[in-house]
Amino acid sequence: GAVVSQHPSWVICKSGTSVKIECRSLDFQATTMFWYRQFPKQSLMLMATSNEGSKATYEQGVEKDKFLINHASLTLSTLTVTSAHPEDSSFYICSAPPGGAGDGSPLHFGNGTRLTVT
Amino acid sequence: AQSVTQLDSQVPVFEEAPVELRCNYSSSVSVYLFWYVQYPNQGLQLLLKYLSGSTLVESINGFEAEFNKSQTSFHLRKPSVHISDTAEYFCAVSERGSQGNLIFGKGTKLSVKP
Repeated sequence: GAVVSQHPSWVICKSGTSVKIECRSLDFQATTMFWYRQFPKQSLMLMATSNEGSKATYEQGVEKDKFLINHASLTLSTLTVTSAHPEDSSFYICSAPPGGAGDGSPLHFGNGTRLTVT
Repeated sequence: AQSVTQLDSQVPVFEEAPVELRCNYSSSVSVYLFWYVQYPNQGLQLLLKYLSGSTLVESINGFEAEFNKSQTSFHLRKPSVHISDTAEYFCAVSERGSQGNLIFGKGTKLSVKP
């Protein structure tokens, strides 16, 4: 149980185009989802917290107009990288807590999306 | 604010040897503690967690971690590693009562050699 599905697993796009990444909770409802970014050989950095029915909360230094987050339902959150540039190339991972927020429920992670901008 | 320090970026060991991956954290509030494992080009899988109670927690594949409040540590250990344990290991904390977002350490690359 508690599976998080992320799609696509990898994508290559041209500079200036936009890319949408989907994150779905398959067998539980997620009012909150987290989007992380991982640079090569580095740790995961929280980009934003996606909240169903309200605006996402972005971490300091993350451009909200560039990384658009939409939490359309209790099982789907999307991250759109707009006007992508080569420096946006990275590994993006979504996650969600299957239990109540803040109760220690471990986050379940999607398998990540490898974005390469050429 | 919380922070997590994983002192070793890489740990090479031989198969069947014991291993310890170190993790120290800093926080002004109570936290939950986690270890996640990441295989190449994949997401993270929960290895084990400490929420409360017994300070020694174990995973189903032989790993264990001990919460030491006085030393603010949560080191990961395995008495005998296998080739298949080769992966990146991340220590993480989340603040009790928060939305559940994790603060990660920089990770430790465990390389098990035959």
